[in-house]
Amino acid sequence: GQNIDQPTEMTATEGAIVQINCTYQTSGFNGLFWYQQHAGEAPTFLSYNVLDGLEEKGRFSSFLSRSKGYSYLLLKELQMKDSASYLCAPSTPGNMLTFGGGTRLMVKP
Amino acid sequence: GAVVSQHPSRVICKSGTSVKIECRSLDFQATTMFWYRQFPKQSLMLMATSNEGSKATYEQGVEKDKFLINHASLTLSTLTVTSAHPEDSSFYICSARDAQGSNQPQHFGDGTRLSIL
Repeated sequence: GQNIDQPTEMTATEGAIVQINCTYQTSGFNGLFWYQQHAGEAPTFLSYNVLDGLEEKGRFSSFLSRSKGYSYLLLKELQMKDSASYLCAPSTPGNMLTFGGGTRLMVKP
Repeated sequence: GAVVSQHPSRVICKSGTSVKIECRSLDFQATTMFWYRQFPKQSLMLMATSNEGSKATYEQGVEKDKFLINHASLTLSTLTVTSAHPEDSSFYICSARDAQGSNQPQHFGDGTRLSIL
């Protein structure tokens, strides 16, 4: 079966750095996606990791350790608009995504 | 710009009505599209996988006779909620993945908010 664990809520200050951790257990693994979802909207793609290591994309970076079943999303220079839910989604063969409950990030001034 | 278009964005209708939701991939071909449902403050739940030219694959607990899926072309999948009832009120979201190349992300439509009175 699939199991995804990430914190339910986090709070951070505008301009700061925040790291959102995710651990997962899946039957088969084909990479891990991070999505951002604002309230009432559909998810938007942020990043994809299939190999171990760090992928950097502007203010957002994502890290993967396949052996540990662990990933994190790092957000730098936080802005108020970054307040959203962040979804960790491992991909299994057949490109099926499994979503956990997501982490609701609140950025405060 | 949006790569997956979903319509309508919002539906309000009476109990017993059937509602059709369309999902189109705009600039790529998608042999597979996915239909999700999300209740307030809950995670995205996969309902079914829509396969072009063949029957959809439904997740456990999802009634295939209630949620009819048709994937008639490489750019269009439709979900019809038949005889909808208030408990079917939810946010329905489709996604599609470019068939070309490996490790392509799923791109989501804007979602359809369905309210059954």
